Amino acid sequence: NAGVTQTPKFRILKIGQSMTLQCTQDMNHNYMYWYRQDPGMGLKLIYYSVGAGITDKGEVPNGYNVSRSTTEDFPLRLELAAPSQTSVYFCASSYSNFPGANVLTFGAGSRLTVL
Amino acid sequence: QKEVEQNSGPLSVPEGAIASLNCTYSDRGSQSFFWYRQYSGKSPELIMSIYSNGDKEDGRFTAQLNKASQYVSLLIRDSQPSDSATYLCAVNALGQGAQKLVFGQGTRLTINP
Repeated sequence: NAGVTQTPKFRILKIGQSMTLQCTQDMNHNYMYWYRQDPGMGLKLIYYSVGAGITDKGEVPNGYNVSRSTTEDFPLRLELAAPSQTSVYFCASSYSNFPGANVLTFGAGSRLTVL
Repeated sequence: QKEVEQNSGPLSVPEGAIASLNCTYSDRGSQSFFWYRQYSGKSPELIMSIYSNGDKEDGRFTAQLNKASQYVSLLIRDSQPSDSATYLCAVNALGQGAQKLVFGQGTRLTINP
């Protein structure tokens, strides 16, 4: 049981380039999330999904896009990378969205540097 | 005012002592409270959740919640070097799903042998 798998683990981008961070989970969770974590800071929600075909913006969505074509996969796309997007990105999933049952399982993270 | 505030530390505690981590929150409607542990370079992992006023114990960990004072704390008894990590407090409002989970900036804890 792999849980939540993210790729790549590390990536360096030039300003203006685009890329996709991959996230897949094998726990049959309906709910999936993308967070970013800047140094010394907590987690900020970028986008989330409550099921295949349904996505919505989080707190910091600008500069990102997502899609959810299957229950397992939730890729995050960065368009026109900027230095402000240098961060560690975490994908997470949960079985339920109800308080008390919405424990998050995180992937290992993807460290992105934009130069 | 930040929604969830934690002292960023670092907090240094000698091995075997009690480590006390605090978190305050601004939304009085908050109902679910979580403590995540994050080792350096790793992802967060849930160690405690608490929903009612009072104490909740799990092994060496005790979460304490005081909704009237809007604070939640985590006590780690018999601290071990392996407890050295950043501890993130997260708060959820009533009826809100995980998309409304708000994280504090974390407290870095160091246990000194």
